[in-house]
Amino acid sequence: GIQVEQSPPDLILQEGANSTLRCNFSDSVNNLQWFHQNPWGQLINLFYIPSGTKQNGRLSATTVATERYSLLYISSSQTTDSGVYFCAVFTGTASKLTFGTGTRLQVTL
Amino acid sequence: DTAVSQTPKYLVTQMGNDKSIKCEQNLGHDTMYWYKQDSKKFLKIMFSYNNKELIINETVPNRFSPKSPDKAHLNLHINSLELGDSAVYFCASSEGGAILGTEAFFGQGTRLTVV
Repeated sequence: GIQVEQSPPDLILQEGANSTLRCNFSDSVNNLQWFHQNPWGQLINLFYIPSGTKQNGRLSATTVATERYSLLYISSSQTTDSGVYFCAVFTGTASKLTFGTGTRLQVTL
Repeated sequence: DTAVSQTPKYLVTQMGNDKSIKCEQNLGHDTMYWYKQDSKKFLKIMFSYNNKELIINETVPNRFSPKSPDKAHLNLHINSLELGDSAVYFCASSEGGAILGTEAFFGQGTRLTVV
């Protein structure tokens, strides 16, 4: 099946710093989503981005489907950005969302 | 209005018991899923239903039995609970058939602890 790798696995930032999270996938996909799992365990939808670039406030994402990767940019990080960030890809052949390994982000004061 | 809701949020039970987790979505979606998140935070699909029909059963022990009474509900029943079943279980839904892969939305999770 498809492999989804995220990097870095762990990231510690000071408040106000910027960061880039990467998601690599091993096969063509129909869909890619980014999620934030907050410290209370909720999975929050950030982006639905099969290709191209989207922005939402301090967050933006870019997916280059032909090169099989996606990037999530967090600018001016805040402590509320802490948690685990997952990318997940959907392949029509598998008919399911396959999650990446996650990036655990801690933003400190 | 909660889009995908699961009950209960926490479940503590003894080994050998049978328990159910309920899931409802009010988004009008056709496809619903159950995912399991283990202690290392890895999320893996268990089941997928499209319009009440089972699409995916991802090598889950047959102690786990999903039931979809209608397309807005997907419940998970677990028989003879084992210590290794302790995890967080997430329900999710998405519009359209399983091929399209439209945006999926997740419930708040059910933390199951087997003692």
